[in-house]
Amino acid sequence: TQLLEQSPQFLSIQEGENLTVYCNSSSVFSSLQWYRQEPGEGPVLLVTVVTGGEVKKLKRLTFQFGDARKDSSLHITAAQTGDTGLYLCAANSGGSNYKLTFGKGTLLTVNP
Amino acid sequence: NAGVTQTPKFQVLKTGQSMTLQCAQDMNHEYMSWYRQDPGMGLRLIHYSVGAGITDQGEVPNGYNVSRSTTEDFPLRLLSAAPSQTSVYFCASMIPGANVLTFGAGSRLTVL
Repeated sequence: TQLLEQSPQFLSIQEGENLTVYCNSSSVFSSLQWYRQEPGEGPVLLVTVVTGGEVKKLKRLTFQFGDARKDSSLHITAAQTGDTGLYLCAANSGGSNYKLTFGKGTLLTVNP
Repeated sequence: NAGVTQTPKFQVLKTGQSMTLQCAQDMNHEYMSWYRQDPGMGLRLIHYSVGAGITDQGEVPNGYNVSRSTTEDFPLRLLSAAPSQTSVYFCASMIPGANVLTFGAGSRLTVL
């Protein structure tokens, strides 16, 4: 099983600050996904990155896939209280097209 | 379009009792799966199915049974509940190859 390590585990910031969270592995992935989970809800897909070095932007969120396709980062600019949630990265495990393995997540709290 | 529907949302069991968590999707997704989410452990795959009549084990299958008689439904059965099965359970589905999981809202199970 390919392990996805996310850091930091917890992050508490003030509204308006910038932040970056990371997802790292020793394995190479064909693609990697980021999900956000709000309290009491299931995770919701934010983005899928496929190409090494790829950068995708979703409003104030910027996602980057490492050149070697082993790691990814999520940068949030001018965080808002609505960004509060658990951010999870996920990738296919064991060569399967179906079995998605998740990291343990970064719990982000944005304080007003 | 309801997406993925899980019932019940909350359940309390005594050790040794049995129960079934229900999951239904109306998107005609061939792939369905069950995850459990525990503090500090992230999402772990219990069982999955790539189509009606086909099921397979994930990372933590012990103590759980599944069946897939229709494309729409994928129930998760606990035959003899144990306190270690206290968790939040998520059902998810996707179109094979799309690598985008759609999650239900979760079922919180407490085993006393």
